[in-house]
Amino acid sequence: QKEVEQNSGPLSVPEGAIASLNCTYSDRGSQSFFWYRQYSGKSPELIMFIYSNGDKEDGRFTAQLNKASQYVSLLIRDSQPSDSATYLCAVNLYSGGGADGLTFGKGTHLIIQP
Amino acid sequence: KAGVTQTPRYLIKTRGQQVTLSCSPISGHRSVSWYQQTPGQGLQFLFEYFSETQRNKGNFPGRFSGRQFSNSRSEMNVSTLELGDSALYLCASSATGGPYEQYFGPGTRLTVT
Repeated sequence: QKEVEQNSGPLSVPEGAIASLNCTYSDRGSQSFFWYRQYSGKSPELIMFIYSNGDKEDGRFTAQLNKASQYVSLLIRDSQPSDSATYLCAVNLYSGGGADGLTFGKGTHLIIQP
Repeated sequence: KAGVTQTPRYLIKTRGQQVTLSCSPISGHRSVSWYQQTPGQGLQFLFEYFSETQRNKGNFPGRFSGRQFSNSRSEMNVSTLELGDSALYLCASSATGGPYEQYFGPGTRLTVT
């Protein structure tokens, strides 16, 4: 049974601070990891993906992956009110024969306080 | 490039009826996946199509089916609708080759009464 766990929040962070979102997954065979942002009433938007252990930076976003600990995180620097949304962690077991379908966590509701 | 499009955006159906939802992927993308999103269960994988073939399937009953056409457009069908099928149905497309960054369409909001 593949599971992805996230703290549902809400996580409240002051504007300009670093928001840290965490995710753990159960399947050691997971190959790729994604962070989606979902605003209320909208569909998920892909903001970061990471495949290798370590850090990957893209603008104000940094994804961190530790496969040994089965842990992936997302850091948002200089948080803005527009970052307030639900952040979904997703993992994919790439079998070589096609995407296994993303397994999503329930999401963390992030609130950036002005 | 245009994004993923889904039609219709909203749908109201009666229990027992059937429904067909449509998805057009990003140009050049050949893989289309379908997901169901509900407040209680979150986002759950339904199935994935690539080159008109279903490659993977999630844990949903046989009432949920799909197909893909030669132009990569995909349809999802739900027969004998139940109240619990009320959800946001999302389609995502990805390019060939793993491990598949998936880009979501706006979704179809289905309400079953």
